[in-house]
Amino acid sequence: DIVMTQSPDSLAVSLGERATINCKSSQSVLYSSNNKNYLAWFQQKPGQPPKLLIYWASTRESGVPDRFSGSGSGTDFALTISSLQAEDVAVYYCQQYFSNPYTFGQGTRLEIK
Amino acid sequence: QVLLQQSGPGLVKPSQTLSLTCAVSGDSVYSDSAAWNWIRQSPSRGLEWLGRTYYRSKWFNDYAASVKSRITINPDTSKNQFSLQLNSVTPEDTAVYYCARSRFYMDVWGRGTTVTVSS
Repeated sequence: DIVMTQSPDSLAVSLGERATINCKSSQSVLYSSNNKNYLAWFQQKPGQPPKLLIYWASTRESGVPDRFSGSGSGTDFALTISSLQAEDVAVYYCQQYFSNPYTFGQGTRLEIK
Repeated sequence: QVLLQQSGPGLVKPSQTLSLTCAVSGDSVYSDSAAWNWIRQSPSRGLEWLGRTYYRSKWFNDYAASVKSRITINPDTSKNQFSLQLNSVTPEDTAVYYCARSRFYMDVWGRGTTVTVSS
């Protein structure tokens, strides 16, 4: 199984400041034949299902604010929120869809400082 | 707009079978670009993908090894829905269960069903 490890486990950032969450996979999720990273980012608020933010490591889902961006390739990835808003308080997960089982990171809790 | 509507009991007795259904609107379970997944979430196990069904000229299933001996995911084409059956449940199977559509990545999720395994 591919193990997804996020850091940090929790993060407190001031409103308007940048927040960065890291995700490392135990093996590469880059598919060489199409040069795509099979990596997604989700946001989850209490009592709600996960919401897709980013797929193919850096493609923003329709309707997601452009302050959210994804980067990285191979085994090391990051989700960046350029200017934190109050509504961004949530738990964030990375997930690989490269191989079965499609595993998630343990989550990073983002709070306002 | 694609919506997934989950249904099923919230309480299951140990050793019995957990059964949930996910009704699809705005898409078809026959889609040749989508798969239909079940995922669960618990404090002890986090988010755990369980399996999926999809149609590519015929029906296929993929299951996580952790539940492969106990799980069945079936499409119900007459009702445009799919189901989860998990046999021989224990308290460790207590979780919020989600259905989700994937087109590689999981882009549409159901609201979740809290299932408790208890006598």
